Amino acid sequence: EVQLVESGGGLVQPGGSLRLSCAVSGFTVSSNYMSWVRQAPGKGLEWVSVLHSGDYAYYADSVKGRFTISRHNSENTLYLEMNNLRAEDTAVYYCARGRTDYGDYPDWGQGTLVTVSS
Amino acid sequence: ESVLTQSPGTLSLSPGERATLSCRASQSISSSYLGWYQQKPGQAPRVLIYGASNRATGIPDRFSGSGSGTDFTLTISGLEPEDFAVYYCQQYVGSPPRYTFGQGTRLEIK
Repeated sequence: EVQLVESGGGLVQPGGSLRLSCAVSGFTVSSNYMSWVRQAPGKGLEWVSVLHSGDYAYYADSVKGRFTISRHNSENTLYLEMNNLRAEDTAVYYCARGRTDYGDYPDWGQGTLVTVSS
Repeated sequence: ESVLTQSPGTLSLSPGERATLSCRASQSISSSYLGWYQQKPGQAPRVLIYGASNRATGIPDRFSGSGSGTDFTLTISGLEPEDFAVYYCQQYVGSPPRYTFGQGTRLEIK
């Protein structure tokens, strides 16, 4: 059974840092395109970052230079390191597995809430 | 950067009726890279359609997708009570990779 379980969300002050984790079972993180997608309260979905199986990482312009996506192969876990957080980064953050040939996301975690506020 | 615009913003229909949701891209995209999702309150999105017209695993055949180029449609034939939710379209473009979602269509019970 495929499972993605995010953790690490919480309340952080503006300018602070947080690291999100996504523990995966049922498939190998290193062999798949893995993404982070976020959703601000009451708003739509926004793609944040993708890590390709070849270790290439890409970011939305809104987070480039502040967020870093990575993975730990032996733990089969995806990470999102978030620095210099802003109020507008407040959202539920989902990790998702991408379908390589079609660019969609067939598998999602339940999400973890990040709140940036003083 | 290609933008996806969904219409209408809100669609009010009754169970049993047919729903037609539109997704328009600002630039022509490959049909292979257009997907549709359903999201219910407090839940993660669920993919319904990938590659513009392929139903995802376990999705009922009342859901269908069509379109090409810049205009894509999600049709729900015979609405069931559990279909009332928010629907998003999503595209993928490469070089560099970018994944973009539409702003969503809320399907509500009339």
